[in-house]
Amino acid sequence: EVQLVESGGGLVQPGRSLRLSCTTSGFTFGDYAMSWVRQAPGKGLEWVSFIRSKRYGGTTEYAASVKGRFTISRDDSKSIAFLQMNSLKTEDTAVYYCTRDPYYGLGSNTVYYYGMDVWGQGTTVTVSS
Amino acid sequence: EIVLTQSPATLSLSPGERATLSCRASQSVSSYLAWYQQKSGQAPRLLIYDVSNRANGIPARFSGSGSGTDFTLTISSLEPEDFAVYYCQQRGNWPFTFGPGTKVDIK
Repeated sequence: EVQLVESGGGLVQPGRSLRLSCTTSGFTFGDYAMSWVRQAPGKGLEWVSFIRSKRYGGTTEYAASVKGRFTISRDDSKSIAFLQMNSLKTEDTAVYYCTRDPYYGLGSNTVYYYGMDVWGQGTTVTVSS
Repeated sequence: EIVLTQSPATLSLSPGERATLSCRASQSVSSYLAWYQQKSGQAPRLLIYDVSNRANGIPARFSGSGSGTDFTLTISSLEPEDFAVYYCQQRGNWPFTFGPGTKVDIK
């Protein structure tokens, strides 16, 4: 069974840091890109960050709201994705979901990530003094 | 950044009725559009990708259509488990933005 389990959430003061983990099982982690999506209390979904598989460079993308403060990374040997969150703000308070992002090829070594097909249950981050 | 708008914000229908949800993009996303369903207290799940392709295990009563900037998710006959919030997401340009969601609730 494919599973994603987030951990590392909690209560943190503004300006501090937190690292989220997404522990995966049931699939070949290294073959997939991964993302983080968040949802503030009572609000909609916000895409946060994305990391490609090593095959496609392991490069990353970020939402403007977190760029320069958050860093996504991956450890393929342990099948874990991370989200390092620095300089946290009250507006970062949310449930953070980890997702798997499958792709298909478009030719010329170009791929398209067509949807977030597996989601974790989420971990809650509360930024408050 | 591509902005997605969804309408209506809330759709009140009865089981068995047809639901039609709209998603409009601020610029063309070609066919790179996905739909997700989120039930209360649960993580979202992928329903539709590439405008009209159902994800694994998604019933045939869910269908998607559209291209460019205007997209539609249709639920042909609402089942009790379909009452939820639905989000569209464009995946053609970074950042991969979501729409604000449409809540389908029981009339």
